[in-house]
Amino acid sequence: DTEVTQTPKHLVMGMTNKKSLKCEQHMGHRAMYWYKQKAKKPPELMFVYSYEKLSINESVPSRFSPECPNSSLLNLHLHALQPEDSALYLCASSQWQGADQPQHFGDGTRLSIL
Amino acid sequence: DQQVKQNSPSLSVQEGRISILNCDYTNSMFDYFLWYKKYPAEGPTFLISISSIKDKNEDGRFTVFLNKSAKHLSLHIVPSQPGDSAVYFCAASGSPGTSYGKLTFGQGTILTVHP
Repeated sequence: DTEVTQTPKHLVMGMTNKKSLKCEQHMGHRAMYWYKQKAKKPPELMFVYSYEKLSINESVPSRFSPECPNSSLLNLHLHALQPEDSALYLCASSQWQGADQPQHFGDGTRLSIL
Repeated sequence: DQQVKQNSPSLSVQEGRISILNCDYTNSMFDYFLWYKKYPAEGPTFLISISSIKDKNEDGRFTVFLNKSAKHLSLHIVPSQPGDSAVYFCAASGSPGTSYGKLTFGQGTILTVHP
């Protein structure tokens, strides 16, 4: 069982829709991450939150809007996405933001943009 | 610019034998390295890590070796089991000031362990 829970597991949306991806962890971790993984490619970092504050934004388009309402929750708000945004979106958490902190991943949300 | 490379897309091994997965990196600012295992329809699972100040770290059947001068690391699995069949990702993390905590992943190696 994964300790990082992501919902929904699958999401299909049109280019004009607004939807949100949710991530929850109860390990007391203070760093949370969003990654994007395209088919047959490695995960690529999108955002990092440390102590509920945005720490890293890897030049992600503004149609992706992250939010960290508290230390256990991380959301990714989606609006006006493009077909090329179809991918697996992975959430991860670690004790704190550090090079030596293993990140623990959820099972992801598979997003399809029509 | 691929900073972490896993040059073998796949590896096939007999049960009970050793599996050796390799990874090369180019960025000398990386100072922590991790291996993750991924099953289909699941997220990556952390396996083992090594700091750049060490050259070996063991955890049960898994051992990671780091050769800093060659910018090369490897994961040894002994003995290999059919349940080890998965995609293995090498990842690297940098020191403060270089997107601290950011993981850069290799392309992955598909390991198949035959009974």
